[in-house]
Amino acid sequence: ETGVTQSPTHLIKTRGQQVTLRCSSQSGHNTVSWYQQALGQGPQFIFQYYREEENGRGNFPPRFSGLQFPNYSSELNVNALELDDSALYLCASSLVAQPGTQYFGPGTRLLVL
Amino acid sequence: GNSVTQMEGPVTLSEEAFLTINCTYTATGYPSLFWYVQYPGEGLQLLLKATKADDKGSNKGFEATYRKETTSFHLEKGSVQVSDSAVYFCALNPGGTSYGKLTFGQGTILTVHP
Repeated sequence: ETGVTQSPTHLIKTRGQQVTLRCSSQSGHNTVSWYQQALGQGPQFIFQYYREEENGRGNFPPRFSGLQFPNYSSELNVNALELDDSALYLCASSLVAQPGTQYFGPGTRLLVL
Repeated sequence: GNSVTQMEGPVTLSEEAFLTINCTYTATGYPSLFWYVQYPGEGLQLLLKATKADDKGSNKGFEATYRKETTSFHLEKGSVQVSDSAVYFCALNPGGTSYGKLTFGQGTILTVHP
């Protein structure tokens, strides 16, 4: 059974740039969620995708957007990067029948300079 | 809104000591409650869960009981090991239209010394 994978592992961008983070869900999982984890904090929910449509969103501005593909892989896009976007971005996959039991990837560490 | 509050860390214990990490929550409706663990260099892993009041979740010697009357879900282990050193997160999954959108506490760093 393949776990959740994310790429890249680390990324450095400058303020105002755009970034795309990628996630491959665990086999058989049809729901993917994205979280932002600032240093020393718990993860904060960004949004969730189910059947390629956004299925709920946290308190994040529209410059945070996502996609889910038919093979259940996913992307998180962030436009107009700000210094406060520096964080660990976590992808988690789950089955729609067990939404609280989420399987997390190792994360992408984004640094915005 | 929904929120989770964990005890301030870090927590430092000697091997075989008793562990308690406090967690309280605020939520409308009937949330499910979870403990996730993050080992150094790894992603979050589900440790245990409870889906309704008075349920006890358990795994790897860790236990937590869903107490609706005190809105708490404290994590306990009778005898910790060095390998338990990690960051522990309490989380809730609200019901209704927010189904599946986990709300996490700020995390508690546990260090166990031999």
